[in-house]
Amino acid sequence: DGGITQSPKYLFRKEGQNVTLSCEQNLNHDAMYWYRQDPGQGLRLIYYSQIVNDFQKGDIAEGYSVSREKKESFPLTVTSAQKNPTAFYLCASSHRGLNEQFFGPGTRLTVL
Amino acid sequence: EDKVVQSPLSLVVHEGDTVTLNCSYEVTNFRSLLWYKQEKKAPTFLFMLTSSGIEKKSGRLSSILDKKELFSILNITATQTGDSAVYLCAVESLGGSQGNLIFGKGTKLSVKP
Repeated sequence: DGGITQSPKYLFRKEGQNVTLSCEQNLNHDAMYWYRQDPGQGLRLIYYSQIVNDFQKGDIAEGYSVSREKKESFPLTVTSAQKNPTAFYLCASSHRGLNEQFFGPGTRLTVL
Repeated sequence: EDKVVQSPLSLVVHEGDTVTLNCSYEVTNFRSLLWYKQEKKAPTFLFMLTSSGIEKKSGRLSSILDKKELFSILNITATQTGDSAVYLCAVESLGGSQGNLIFGKGTKLSVKP
């Protein structure tokens, strides 16, 4: 079945640690996105990538990093520089130039 | 600054009621407006609107766009408990450095039996 997978589903991290969230898609989409969702805040764009080996900062990129070495994969690293990382993280993908984005099931990150 | 505003932020209705959710926007270089339904985790796509006045319909859900007044509405008739979710509105803006979609904060709909 085609789709987007994110792992892990739940993630706990101690302050000062970096963690990497996985996002994989087999939809043959060129574009991939990372969003952060906080209660009452809607979705805010962290990073996006329109093509392999290229990515752009979104609205709230500080404290995060990404890579796009393969078309299918767009991992997000939450670094210790992110001041308030506890949130629900959603990954999405779309065909390049098209606006309908398909979402993964999300990863809920909690910093202890 | 581009923005998308949804109202109300939350809504409680009873089964069988009809609801109207609102989405207004201010963006440069508007391309399209999308509605998503988010129940627990992944938002799922409902509609994409690009032209004014043309209603999109799927079962009990329908939506329309007004590009002159810069808003869209999502109607749900004969609501069911399964309609309980957060409904997200997103607008696609061409160009800029913020990616493709600008999301509103969502409307949380609760349908009571």
